[in-house]
Amino acid sequence: DGGITQSPKYLFRKEGQNVTLSCEQNLNHDAMYWYRQDPGQGLRLIYYSQIVNDFQKGDIAEGYSVSREKKESFPLTVTSAQKNPTAFYLCASSILIDLNTEAFFGQGTRLTVV
Amino acid sequence: QQPVQSPQAVILREGEDAVINCSSSKALYSVHWYRQKHGEAPVFLMILLKGGEQKGHDKISASFNEKKQQSSLYLTASQLSYSGTYFCGTRGSGNTGKLIFGQGTTLQVKP
Repeated sequence: DGGITQSPKYLFRKEGQNVTLSCEQNLNHDAMYWYRQDPGQGLRLIYYSQIVNDFQKGDIAEGYSVSREKKESFPLTVTSAQKNPTAFYLCASSILIDLNTEAFFGQGTRLTVV
Repeated sequence: QQPVQSPQAVILREGEDAVINCSSSKALYSVHWYRQKHGEAPVFLMILLKGGEQKGHDKISASFNEKKQQSSLYLTASQLSYSGTYFCGTRGSGNTGKLIFGQGTTLQVKP
């Protein structure tokens, strides 16, 4: 079955450590996205990528980094520079040629930094 | 800049109607609507395009006023399953891949 997979579902890290969240899709989508979700603030765009080896900052990119070495993979690293990293992180993908189609979301990773 | 949704929260009884609004300060190419249950992934409901075309759920309707850069989602005869948080997402007029979402509207339907 085609879909988008995020792992792990829950992640705990100590303050000051970098952590990488995985996002893989087998939908052959060109565009991939990372969103952060906090209560009352909706889905805020961190980074997005429209093509392999290229990505753009979203609205809250500070303290995060991404890579897009393969079409199907778009990992997100939460660095120690991110001041408040505890949140629910969602990855999504969509067809780029036809922007009239929906984005598909993964099940999310809940990151807790202690 | 995130689109702005209103209201922030709605409580309904089964069978009642609700309207959720989404507005943007920038020109829009399309508006997407999604529903999210707690702790789950958002699920696609509908896309509205410039020119009036709609694609999506046949039991939920929506409108898109391009001039006012606004969209509204209409939930009629609400069911318990309609409970969740609704998000509007927008693509800018540059027709880029960038997709940004509003802060969400929480809908609770009670028996």
